[in-house]
Formats: sequence, C-alpha cells, structure tokens
Amino acid sequence: VQLVDSGGGLVQPGGSLRLSCEPSGFTFKTYWMCWVRQFPGGGLEWVATINPDGTQTSYVDSVNGRFTVSRDNAKNSLFLQMDSLRAEDTAIYYCTRGNNWAFDQWGRGTLVTVS
Amino acid sequence: QSVLTQPPSVSAAPGQKVTISCSGGSSNIGTHFVSWYQQLPGTAPKLLISEDNKRPSQISDRFSGSKSGTSATLAITGLQTGDEADYYCEAHDDSLNAAVFGGGTRLTVL
Repeated sequence: VQLVDSGGGLVQPGGSLRLSCEPSGFTFKTYWMCWVRQFPGGGLEWVATINPDGTQTSYVDSVNGRFTVSRDNAKNSLFLQMDSLRAEDTAIYYCTRGNNWAFDQWGRGTLVTVS
Repeated sequence: QSVLTQPPSVSAAPGQKVTISCSGGSSNIGTHFVSWYQQLPGTAPKLLISEDNKRPSQISDRFSGSKSGTSATLAITGLQTGDEADYYCEAHDDSLNAAVFGGGTRLTVL
C-alpha cells in the first residue's frame, strides 16, 4: 500500500492550491479517504473526509467553505482544493486512508506555506 | 488546547516499560474507539493501535493499547532506542463531529 501526496508549495494569503494523492496497492474505490494536516508546532488536525463513491464529504470547521475534497475513482486519485488560504493553513498535509475508525495508511506529506 | 490530553513527554531506560496516557471525555473516548500513532523524526505518522487495542500485523507486540471510561493508555515494553518518537492518540468526537488528536507525547529512551 502506498499513498503519494503532492501539490504543496508557497502561496500568498487569499490564494489557492490543489493537492493530489495517488494511491496504489489497494482497491481505492472501496475506502474512505481523508486529509490530515500537521502544523509547524507538531499538532495534528483532521481536515476532510470523503466516502468511497464521493457522495459524502465532511470538513473541520476551520476549513469548511474554503476547502473541497474530491476523488476520481476511475483514475485512482484524491484531491484537496484549497481556496482563500490563510497563514494559519500553513502545515504539512497528509493523504490518509480511513479504515476501522483509524487512519491506517499515510502519505509522506506535502508542505503548504501561506505567506 | 487539544481536545484529548497527553503528557508532553515521557522517558525511560532501554528495556523498561513506559505508559502514555490520553484523557478525553464522554463525547470522544467515552463513546468511540481510540487509535494511537507513532511519528519517528522526519517521517509521517504511522498507525500503531486501532479500535482501542488492536495492532496491525506489522506492529510489534511490545506495543499495546487499553481504555477505561474516558481515558486510554499506550504501553510500550522492552524499550529500544528506535522507539524514540512522538506518539499521538486520536478518537472521533461527537460534539465536534470530527476526528480529534491529542497534543502528542515525546518519548525519550535514556
């Protein structure tokens, strides 16, 4: 099982970024997928979740209305569209797989810096 | 201020046992499963324990989890220098309708 997340970078406040995650080694279309971020101080925060067929999504309050999680099961891809970025969104963003009420697989992470 | 409370640091000698606590409330640990994650320096977190006390097949049996009421505990026996890492607990919270993490505990193996 592998998750390869990408798309991070330096962006100005108010700007946008689109993160991607390419999974392999498992049947992507059968799993809930999530994004979790880690702030510079080390704390972890769940960001968003999407169900296997992409019809249900949920977000932490601090990003609701600004971030959109989506997936393309035909292309085995997960996305996080981040708009109206703020300095406090600066973090490493991890693509994760949800399984049995846990995040059981993690990508290496992609750094987003808003400055 | 994290919803789940962990001690900032713990330490013990090689070969010893250490426990890391995670305190929550009725809307999270008291109702939902607890997971534990290990983050080695410079790497992504890795799942150690799910559903309070279940270990993925590749995780050593030196790691174990338990829960009582609104608190959970991670125990590590036979400490090794390679266990030096940050450890995080996590559970779903009904009040926030979100997965929440503890602030993390740094383990030092003296």
